[in-house]
Formats: sequence, C-alpha cells, structure tokens
Amino acid sequence: GEDVEQSLFLSVREGDSSVINCTYTDSSSTYLYWYKQEPGAGLQLLTYIFSNMDMKQDQRLTVLLNKKDKHLSLRIADTQTGDSAIYFCAGPGGYQKVTFGIGTKLQVIP
Amino acid sequence: EAGVAQSPRYKIIEKRQSVAFWCNPISGHATLYWYQQILGQGPKLLIQFQNNGVVDDSQLPKDRFSAERLKGVDSTLKIQPAKLEDSAVYLCASSQGSGGKNIQYFGAGTRLSVL
Repeated sequence: GEDVEQSLFLSVREGDSSVINCTYTDSSSTYLYWYKQEPGAGLQLLTYIFSNMDMKQDQRLTVLLNKKDKHLSLRIADTQTGDSAIYFCAGPGGYQKVTFGIGTKLQVIP
Repeated sequence: EAGVAQSPRYKIIEKRQSVAFWCNPISGHATLYWYQQILGQGPKLLIQFQNNGVVDDSQLPKDRFSAERLKGVDSTLKIQPAKLEDSAVYLCASSQGSGGKNIQYFGAGTRLSVL
C-alpha cells in the first residue's frame, strides 16, 4: 500500500519561511494533499495539487511537487505564530481514500 | 454550511467497558470515514462507508469494534470491550465521494482515555 513519510518537527522564527517535506510511494496520477491540525481539533484541508502539476501557489502557501523523486513540499511564507500546528501530507490510499503521514509539528518562535 | 459534528468530545472509561461515538457528516456527503489517531501519529482509517454500505473495514478490529451508518447519514462507532491501547482520538470525516479529488472534512474528534 501507499507509504507517506514526513519529518517530525520543524522550528522557525516568526516572519521566516517554513518548508515542510514529504515523500510518498504511489506513482499513479492523483491528488496529493496538505492538512493542518491545531491542538484539540480535527484536520483541516490547506491545499492540494494534482500530480501533473509542478507547483501550486495559494496566498502564503506554495506546494512543490517533484514527481520523479516522489517528493512533495509545503512552503509557508512569512510564518506567523498562528501557523503553529501539525501538518499532514496525504497521498492516495485506494478508492476514495487517502493515506496520511505521521505529521510534522511546526513550532513558530515569536 | 454546518461541518462534521461529533460527540462526545471527551470520554474516560475503564478497560473492559464499552463506549460509543456518534458522527453527523456534512449534509449530502456520501462517504463517511472513521479514523483512529494515536498520540504522535497520523490518522489511521478504521472504516469507510459509501452511503450506508461498507467500502473498507480491513483495519477495523472486528472482535471489539463495530460501526454502522443507518440510512446513509449519521454513524456510530462502538468499542466493546475497550482495551488500554484504544486510548486515542477518534475522528470522523466525510466527503462528497465522487470524482478524482477526495477532499475530506473532519470533525473535532472524540478523545478517549481508557484507564
């Protein structure tokens, strides 16, 4: 089945850019997702990209996809303290399913 | 548009007791998911419904876990009897269930502590 891997922790200073990385194994044409989870809450979709795209930008968020290396990254520009959360990469997991990574905890230092 | 509703938010039980969680998905969403999220891990799919039918329950420990989605709307997840290792957050999610995109909308979850 699909395997999605992420680093566990990232610490950045407020105002800097954050880059969260993810690798996946499924090579089919499909959607890849980034979700955000704040303490005590469920997951919230941040953005997604289709596998025929290299990049997608949405305000402060930029998703980069290297399909050859099966590498996905999420860049958050001008990181704010409100961005502190756990970020999950998700790839295909079968019919109408996704597989989540373990999550990267982003800590923003004021 | 109302989001995915779950209750209760928190539950503390002793091992070998039973517990039930309830989920009301977004109106019109055909697909409903139950996930188990153990502390420090990503969500793990337990069961997936399409309308009122089960699509995938391969990761559901069927000796103790059961779930139903009567009338294809609300769903309940039950654990009987609970074990210590069932301590986790149980997340319900729903999606429209069509097309290539699979955007899932999550409830806030039920945090279960088994003592």
